[in-house]
Amino acid sequence: AQKVTQAQTEISVVEKEDVTLDCVYETRDTTYYLFWYKQPPSGELVFLIRRNSFDEQNEISGRYSWNFQKSTSSFNFTITASQVVDSAVYFCALSTPTDSWGKLQFGAGTQVVVTP
Amino acid sequence: GAVVSQHPSWVICKSGTSVKIECRSLDFQATTMFWYRQFPKQSLMLMATSNEGSKATYEQGVEKDKFLINHASLTLSTLTVTSAHPEDSSFYICSARELDRGRYEQFFGPGTRLTVL
Repeated sequence: AQKVTQAQTEISVVEKEDVTLDCVYETRDTTYYLFWYKQPPSGELVFLIRRNSFDEQNEISGRYSWNFQKSTSSFNFTITASQVVDSAVYFCALSTPTDSWGKLQFGAGTQVVVTP
Repeated sequence: GAVVSQHPSWVICKSGTSVKIECRSLDFQATTMFWYRQFPKQSLMLMATSNEGSKATYEQGVEKDKFLINHASLTLSTLTVTSAHPEDSSFYICSARELDRGRYEQFFGPGTRLTVL
């Protein structure tokens, strides 16, 4: 069964601190995609990144970086020098061929609160 | 490109009434659309998958007679919550998959907040 675990319910930081969000996934498929989405208070999901299972290269996009480790089935997300605008719920998600690539299995989400 | 809209963005209705939510792909053809439900402080849960011109596939535990899904065209899918009750109050989000893109690409609408009194 496909499963995504985000063990951190809420993380509170002060502006300019770094924050790392954990994501652990389970799947028997060898090919899969992992995603991170941001959900601000407005509710609209904002796509952040997609990573396929064959690409373990870490990625950096501005203040965002992702660490994909297949050996530990983790796809962690770090926000460097956090800002108040980063306050949101962040979801990690998994897509696999078992679900015909259609179903996105979301983690429970991590609420990030950045205070000035 | 790849914009998905939802209408209405919020709706308040009385218990027992039916509510229709529209999901449109504005600049692409969506062969498949997905409907998710999100309760406060919870994650998104897939309710159903609809392919244009065919019946929707519902996830386990989702009542197909209560949540009617129609995907009559490549740009429009509708979700009708029939005989809504307060426990149906939730945030409903649709997503769409484009015909010519990779099958892993999904584009999300802005969501519809339903409140049943």
